[in-house]
Amino acid sequence: KQEVTQIPAALSVPEGENLVLNCSFTDSAIYNLQWFRQDPGKGLTSLLLIQSSQREQTSGRLNASLDKSSGRSTLYIAASQPGDSATYLCAVRPGRGSNYKLTFGKGTLLTVNP
Amino acid sequence: DAGVIQSPRHEVTEMGQEVTLRCKPISGHDYLFWYRQTMMRGLELLIYFNNNVPIDDSGMPEDRFSAKMPNASFSTLKIQPSEPRDSAVYFCASSPDRVYGYTFGSGTRLTVV
Repeated sequence: KQEVTQIPAALSVPEGENLVLNCSFTDSAIYNLQWFRQDPGKGLTSLLLIQSSQREQTSGRLNASLDKSSGRSTLYIAASQPGDSATYLCAVRPGRGSNYKLTFGKGTLLTVNP
Repeated sequence: DAGVIQSPRHEVTEMGQEVTLRCKPISGHDYLFWYRQTMMRGLELLIYFNNNVPIDDSGMPEDRFSAKMPNASFSTLKIQPSEPRDSAVYFCASSPDRVYGYTFGSGTRLTVV
């Protein structure tokens, strides 16, 4: 059974700092990995999607990397801003069979202090 | 596209009452997923559909929960009878296929008192 772990559970940083959020998964046979952002009381917003054949994806100040063999992904946020404060979740899609459901981590709660 | 649309946004009901949550996926997305989010358990998949057919309902907690997708543009998640432990945020998501990611709706916050 796939398990996804996110470390740390919470992170507080001053504005302007570069930071890294970590995601690990137990079964490396994934099809893709997706990073989401969730603001309090809101739904999930997709940030980046990395296919299993890719090593990284970039969008603005965000960069996500994937090391499938070691079961790890990182989300790098450059020059953090208070508006980046949210919960960040990673989710993996299985690569075997026809099961298309995502398995989510519990998330990292990020607070960027002005 | 308006994205995945869920209704209602909030629902407060008394224990024992029937609750129906609704979802309209993005047009052209063949996969529809129902998730439940709680502080304790995080996001859990309840059921998902492919081309309106339920594929995996192993996450549906009890017989009190049922889901339908009568056509490609509408799905419901029903709880009957509701219990306080059903209180959670219920999300609907859709996806065109395995290659592309999920798009989530804004969720329905259910409170059963």
